[in-house]
Amino acid sequence: AQTVTQSQPEMSVQEAETVTLSCTYDTSESDYYLFWYKQPPSRQMILVIRQEAYKQQNATENRFSVNFQKAAKSFSLKISDSQLGDAAMYFCAYKGDDKIIFGKGTRLHILP
Amino acid sequence: GAVVSQHPSRVICKSGTSVKIECRSLDFQATTMFWYRQFPKKSLMLMATSNEGSKATYEQGVEKDKFLINHASLTLSTLTVTSAHPEDSSFYICSADDTDYNSPLHFGNGTRLTVT
Repeated sequence: AQTVTQSQPEMSVQEAETVTLSCTYDTSESDYYLFWYKQPPSRQMILVIRQEAYKQQNATENRFSVNFQKAAKSFSLKISDSQLGDAAMYFCAYKGDDKIIFGKGTRLHILP
Repeated sequence: GAVVSQHPSRVICKSGTSVKIECRSLDFQATTMFWYRQFPKKSLMLMATSNEGSKATYEQGVEKDKFLINHASLTLSTLTVTSAHPEDSSFYICSADDTDYNSPLHFGNGTRLTVT
């Protein structure tokens, strides 16, 4: 069965600095998607970034980028120039054939 | 850890019939549950937020008469797709929020609905 592990329950970063959130997963599938979702206090899930497993190039969305290591089954999220609005829960998610599996989340605090 | 059970994981139904999807929090009380829909190669789309004992709040563009949500208890929310059509075929996922904000949302594993 597929699993997604986020080993950092909480992290803090100084405003304007860079932070990396880790995510590892386990699967026997060859084709899948990986996502990072942000959950602000509104509780609405916001897609931050996505990566197709067949693409070797790391996805980038403005200040957010990933380091996707397929062989190592690692999918970390880097947030550059952290802003106060980045404070939220971040979920790593795996989308395989039939289901989406989420990690337990990392709560990110931004220190002013 | 907290577990959310979503059932069924897969369902195939004929056009015009109704389908009910259940979302249960197994070891915590869920004051709020969220229902999402995911189209192929798209991200989750929040459909509605349901609070125990009150009417669900639907996102803009979601037909509340078509997607009936009932959050009758602190451990159960149901989504009923009424008079299903092929365009309702999708992946639906629920998530549950317990009373402790410091806990992350807990998600079901999703339901793949196919309407023939």
